[in-house]
Amino acid sequence: KAGVTQTPRYLIKTRGQQVTLSCSPISGHRSVSWYQQTPGQGLQFLFEYFSETQRNKGNFPGRFSGRQFSNSRSEMNVSTLELGDSALYLCASSLGTGVYTQYFGPGTRLTVL
Amino acid sequence: AQKITQTQPGMFVQEKEAVTLDCTYDTSDPSYGLFWYKQPSSGEMIFLIYQGSYDQQNATEGRYSLNFQKARKSANLVISASQLGDSAMYFCAMREGSSGGYNKLIFGAGTRLAVHP
Repeated sequence: KAGVTQTPRYLIKTRGQQVTLSCSPISGHRSVSWYQQTPGQGLQFLFEYFSETQRNKGNFPGRFSGRQFSNSRSEMNVSTLELGDSALYLCASSLGTGVYTQYFGPGTRLTVL
Repeated sequence: AQKITQTQPGMFVQEKEAVTLDCTYDTSDPSYGLFWYKQPSSGEMIFLIYQGSYDQQNATEGRYSLNFQKARKSANLVISASQLGDSAMYFCAMREGSSGGYNKLIFGAGTRLAVHP
C-alpha cells in the first residue's frame, strides 16, 4: 500500500506570498494532521482534519489554514508568508481519529526568502 | 500541561550493541498513548512503536522495545543490536486520550543517535 505523499517536496517563496501544500493520505485513511518542524520550535501540531471537518487546531495564526476533500486528500495554505514560516511541513494520516497511529509523509520543505 | 522531555540531545553507540533513548512525559490524563518515531536525514518520520497507558506489557516491535514505567512517567526506547541504518533523530511523542479523540501529538525535542562501525 502506498504511503503518505506530499507535494511539492521543496518550495522557495518570498515574503508576502502565499503557498499551498498538498497531502494525499494512505488509502483508506480518513484523518489527516499537519505539523510544522523548525530547528527552534521543534515539531508543532498545526491542525487535524477528519471527514472534511477541522477537528483540532494548534496555536498558529490565522494565516495558516487547511481543508480536506471528500477523497481525504488535504491541503494547507499559508498566506502572507514570513521568514519564520521557513520549515519542514509534515502531513500524517491515520485510519480515524483518537486511537490510531499516525503515519507521516516525507514532508515539504518551505524556504521563505 | 502535557509535556514530553528527551534529555539526551545526542547519543552514540557501537554497531551491534544495544542503546536506550530516554523519554519522560507529563500528563494528568489517565488515558494516553506514547509513540516513538525515527527521522532520518531525508526528513520523513517513521513510526517505530506504540504504548497505550492501559497496556499491561511493554510494547515490542522487532529490535525495538519500549520500557514503560508508568509510575515514573517514563517511556524509554531500547534498540537492540544497533545497525548503521539506525543513525537518525528519534522523537518521543504523546497523544492524550481526553483530547476528544483527536490526533494531536506532542513531541519531545528529539535525540540524535549515531551508530559507529
